[in-house]
Amino acid sequence: DSGVTQTPKHLITATGQRVTLRCSPRSGDLSVYWYQQSLDQGLQFLIQYYNGEERAKGNILERFSAQQFPDLHSELNLSSLELGDSALYFCASSVAPDRGHGYTFGSGTRLTVV
Amino acid sequence: GENVEQHPSTLSVQEGDSAVIKCTYSDSASNYFPWYKQELGKRPQLIIDIRSNVGEKKDQRIAVTLNKTAKHFSLHITETQPEDSAVYFCAASEDDMRFGAGTRLTVKP
Repeated sequence: DSGVTQTPKHLITATGQRVTLRCSPRSGDLSVYWYQQSLDQGLQFLIQYYNGEERAKGNILERFSAQQFPDLHSELNLSSLELGDSALYFCASSVAPDRGHGYTFGSGTRLTVV
Repeated sequence: GENVEQHPSTLSVQEGDSAVIKCTYSDSASNYFPWYKQELGKRPQLIIDIRSNVGEKKDQRIAVTLNKTAKHFSLHITETQPEDSAVYFCAASEDDMRFGAGTRLTVKP
C-alpha cells in the first residue's frame, strides 16, 4: 500500500455519461497530481493541485475538471465521456510541488467507456 | 513546459546482461530526475532519482547518470534478472513532473 488511495478501482460507463474519480493523498502530502495512461501509452499529465489551489495544468480536456478539497483529497470529474477516454487514471501525491520531491502513485482507476 | 524524450521504446536483453535507457529534457531549469518502474497493471514506483548537483548515483544494480550540459540522463541496470522486466519511465521535474514515453524492458531467462 503506497498510502495514496484511489476509488473506485474499476469503472465501466456509457458514452456521454459523467464520472467522478477520487484520490486521497498520502498523509502529510499537500500536492496532488492526476495522470492519464491509455493502453500501452505513457503518463499524460492532466493537472496539479497544491493545498487546495490549482498549480499547473497539462493536457486536460475542457470536458474534464478537478478540485482539491480542504481535507486535501481530490476529485477528477470526467463528463460527456467518449470511447477514447478509456484509460487508467492515476493520482499521485508529494510533500510539495517544488523540485526535488518524488511522487507516490495510487493504484489507479481503470475507466472503461462503452 | 518541459518535454522529455526517452529511448529506446522497447529493449530486450538476455538475463545477466546490462540495460541502458536514455532520456533527454528541454527545460534547463529542471533539477530533479526520477525513474519509475511500472509492472503490468500496477502503479509506477520510484526506483531511483538524481538531483542536478550530482552526476551519478548508484543503488545496487541500478545507476543513474546525469549530464546537465547536454540535458540528458540515463538509467543503467546491470546483471539483469527476469523480474526487472517492466516499463520504465524517466521524468524531469519543474513545477510538475513530465514523463518520458516509457521503455518496455524484457529480460529473457
